[in-house]
Amino acid sequence: AQKVTQAQTEISVVEKEDVTLDCVYETRDTTYYLFWYKQPPSGELVFLIRRNSFDEQNEISGRYSWNFQKSTSSFNFTITASQVVDSAVYFCALSARSGGGADGLTFGKGTHLIIQP
Amino acid sequence: ETGVTQSPTHLIKTRGQQVTLRCSSQSGHNTVSWYQQALGQGPQFIFQYYREEENGRGNFPPRFSGLQFPNYSSELNVNALELDDSALYLCASSLGEREQYFGPGTRLTVT
Repeated sequence: AQKVTQAQTEISVVEKEDVTLDCVYETRDTTYYLFWYKQPPSGELVFLIRRNSFDEQNEISGRYSWNFQKSTSSFNFTITASQVVDSAVYFCALSARSGGGADGLTFGKGTHLIIQP
Repeated sequence: ETGVTQSPTHLIKTRGQQVTLRCSSQSGHNTVSWYQQALGQGPQFIFQYYREEENGRGNFPPRFSGLQFPNYSSELNVNALELDDSALYLCASSLGEREQYFGPGTRLTVT
């Protein structure tokens, strides 16, 4: 069975601080995919990134960066120089297929990020 | 915006009633997945439809059922509503195995 743990229920930081959201996963699959989604108050899940289990290179996209470490089964997400617009609930998700597939995505419980001005 | 739309936005039903939620997928997408998100929780996979057939299902009872139409839009039907069915219902569309794009959701309240 697959499992995603986001131990941080809520994080509050002041604008311009860096913040890291933790994600730990469990799976027996040798090939799997990891995702991050952002859910603003409007409710719509916004796709941020997908990584497969064979690609451990860290990725950077603007102020966002992701650190994937198979040795610790972690896929952490860092926002540099946070902004108020980054306030949202962030979900880490896991799947045995590239797009979720017929088994769907397995989500963590999410981390509520609050950026204070 | 993802181009995935859902209706209605909000819905209030009474325990025991039946409800139908609707989803229009993004143009070019042929696969629709449905998720249930209880308050304070992550989304849970209900089922997926590909080319009008259910091809995957999560741990939900048979009173949760669905349809996909030739234009790839989809419906989620829930019979015999229970209080625990109160949640945000999210629809996601994709092109086959590619990444899923989510709609804004339907907030269902069962009283």
